[in-house]
Amino acid sequence: DAGVIQSPRHEVTEMGQEVTLRCKPISGHDYLFWYRQTMMRGLELLIYFNNNVPIDDSGMPEDRFSAKMPNASFSTLKIQPSEPRDSAVYFCASSLVYRVSGTSRNYNEQFFGPGTRLTVL
Amino acid sequence: GQQVMQIPQYQHVQEGEDFTTYCNSSTTLSNIQWYKQRPGGHPVFLIQLVKSGEVKKQKRLTFQFGEAKKNSSLHITATQTTDVGTYFCAGRASGTYKYIFGTGTRLKVLA
Repeated sequence: DAGVIQSPRHEVTEMGQEVTLRCKPISGHDYLFWYRQTMMRGLELLIYFNNNVPIDDSGMPEDRFSAKMPNASFSTLKIQPSEPRDSAVYFCASSLVYRVSGTSRNYNEQFFGPGTRLTVL
Repeated sequence: GQQVMQIPQYQHVQEGEDFTTYCNSSTTLSNIQWYKQRPGGHPVFLIQLVKSGEVKKQKRLTFQFGEAKKNSSLHITATQTTDVGTYFCAGRASGTYKYIFGTGTRLKVLA
């Protein structure tokens, strides 16, 4: 498997422009997460999906941010309009929740993509 | 809301010395995961701890989950230059698959 794929790897744009980040999760995974990483705020969860349905978007900074998952193999994170403070590395991660036989414990290691480094001038 | 703190923020050690990072959650966790991120890279899953008081080992790495399921630690014995990176814990509360990542501990190993 190729792992989680993100595109573009780098994006430089000007303030006010629309930015779309893309993610292809690992085939068969049922959870998809979008994170943002900055020096000041660390690694923040923005939103996560289960079976293509958004479950928790409480981490989305404001209305300028939106995320969609139209099918199990594709998700987008859109920023419109972009601002310099949106500059960060954006990671997509996917996971498959499974239960160890004979236990009640769920396991779901997250597999991260390589990230998109966004710079807003 | 739930917060996860890690200490120390930075640690420089001589190669061969031991290293420990501590993770503390403001709320009781269902489980905790540990990740390693190399400079310029992405977080890579190391382990998941589920049971109160659980201890797991991976070669030179020892992971512990506190009895109250609010804290955890990662200990590396005899560090090597390949251990360089930032180590994150990530805690999950029950009823959700939302993970809150800790602030991270950046480890530098001097040869």
